[in-house]
Amino acid sequence: DGGITQSPKYLFRKEGQNVTLSCEQNLNHDAMYWYRQDPGQGLRLIYYSQIVNDFQKGDIAEGYSVSREKKESFPLTVTSAQKNPTAFYLCASSIAGTGELFFGEGSRLTVL
Amino acid sequence: AQSVTQPDIHITVSEGASLELRCNYSYGATPYLFWYVQSPGQGLQLLLKYFSGDTLVQGIKGFEAEFKRSQSSFNLRKPSVHWSDAAEYFCAVGVRGNEKLTFGTGTRLTIIP
Repeated sequence: DGGITQSPKYLFRKEGQNVTLSCEQNLNHDAMYWYRQDPGQGLRLIYYSQIVNDFQKGDIAEGYSVSREKKESFPLTVTSAQKNPTAFYLCASSIAGTGELFFGEGSRLTVL
Repeated sequence: AQSVTQPDIHITVSEGASLELRCNYSYGATPYLFWYVQSPGQGLQLLLKYFSGDTLVQGIKGFEAEFKRSQSSFNLRKPSVHWSDAAEYFCAVGVRGNEKLTFGTGTRLTIIP
């Protein structure tokens, strides 16, 4: 079945550590996205990529980094510079030009 | 920049009752409009979308939404809710040619027997 796979589903880290969240899709979509979800704030765009080896900052990119070396993969690194990293992170993909997003199941990051 | 407002944070309805969730957007041109549903701890699933044409769109699970340009609204409706409809609902707006969607803050729906 085609879809988006995020891992890990739950992740704990200590303050000062970097952590990388994985996102893989087999939908052959060109565009991929990372959103952060906090209670009462909806979804906020962190980074997005419309094509391999290219990506753009979203609304809250500070403290995060991404790469897009393969069409299928769009990992997100939450760095120690992110002041409040505890959140639910959602990866999505879309067919270019449609805006219709397909989401993964999410990764919940907790900083201890 | 586009924006989306979902004025109701939480709505409670009885099973079998009708439902309307409100969504207002701000954008100068005709936007792409979406409704997504999220169960607790899960990703989002597309319910329906409006790109152009007929302003009343049908979606999955018996949901429909109506685009009203004069009111800048895209309200979601269902004639009779089921207990399984309990979830959080997000309205989103996109711009033709731009890959970014802007999401509302969501409306949490509770169903009582």
